[in-house]
Amino acid sequence: EPEVTQTPSHQVTQMGQEVILRCVPISNHLYFYWYRQILGQKVEFLVSFYNNEISEKSEIFDDQFSVERPDGSNFTLKIRSTKLEDSAMYFCASGGEGETQYFGPGTRLLVL
Amino acid sequence: GNSVTQMEGPVTLSEEAFLTINCTYTATGYPSLFWYVQYPGEGLQLLLKATKADDKGSNKGFEATYRKETTSFHLEKGSVQVSDSAVYFCALSDRSTGGGADGLTFGKGTHLIIQP
Repeated sequence: EPEVTQTPSHQVTQMGQEVILRCVPISNHLYFYWYRQILGQKVEFLVSFYNNEISEKSEIFDDQFSVERPDGSNFTLKIRSTKLEDSAMYFCASGGEGETQYFGPGTRLLVL
Repeated sequence: GNSVTQMEGPVTLSEEAFLTINCTYTATGYPSLFWYVQYPGEGLQLLLKATKADDKGSNKGFEATYRKETTSFHLEKGSVQVSDSAVYFCALSDRSTGGGADGLTFGKGTHLIIQP
C-alpha cells in the first residue's frame, strides 16, 4: 500500500541553524501539507501546497519557514534560522482531490 | 475559528471493556469529522470519517456518529483489545471531503492504554 515517507526520523540542530525536512508524498496525490506537534500539545496545521504554490498557511508559518517541491517526488520544509520553540514533531501529509489526508511517520526536531 | 476538544488521557481500560472517547467541535461551516490513530513509532492513520450530520463512520470495530445538534463525534468500541493501545486524535475539516487545500484542525489526542 502506498505511504508517505519522511526523512530524517530525528534531527538535532543548534539554534540559528537551517534545517530541511524531507517528505515523499504518495505518488498520484495533488495536495501536500505540513503539520507540527509540540510535545504535549495539539497537532497544528502549518501549510498546504497545490499546483506548485502555497494554497493556505497558518499564523505559525512565518517568514522563517518555506516549502518547496524541487522535483516530481519530494516535498520539503525549510526552517531558516531555528529557534528553541521550533522543537516539535513535524508531519507531512498528502491527499488527492476529494480524498483524505495521509500522514507520514514524522520527523522529530530538537533545537538546542 | 474552528476548534476540537477531546477528553484528556491517558485512558486505561481492561481488555474487552467498552470504550468511549469524547470529542466535541466548534466550526463556522459544515465540517467533515475524522478520527486518526497513532500507534507507537508510526504516523497518523485515518481510522474513520463522517462528512455530514447523522453519518456514522466505522472501521475495525470503532464507530463514531456525527451529531450536529450536540457538535460531537464521540469514538466508541464495544470490546477493546491490547492492540488498540495508541493515541487517538479527533479532527475536522471545513471541506466536505477533507481533501483540497484546507488544513485539518486537530484535538490534543487521547492516549488509550489497554491492559490484558
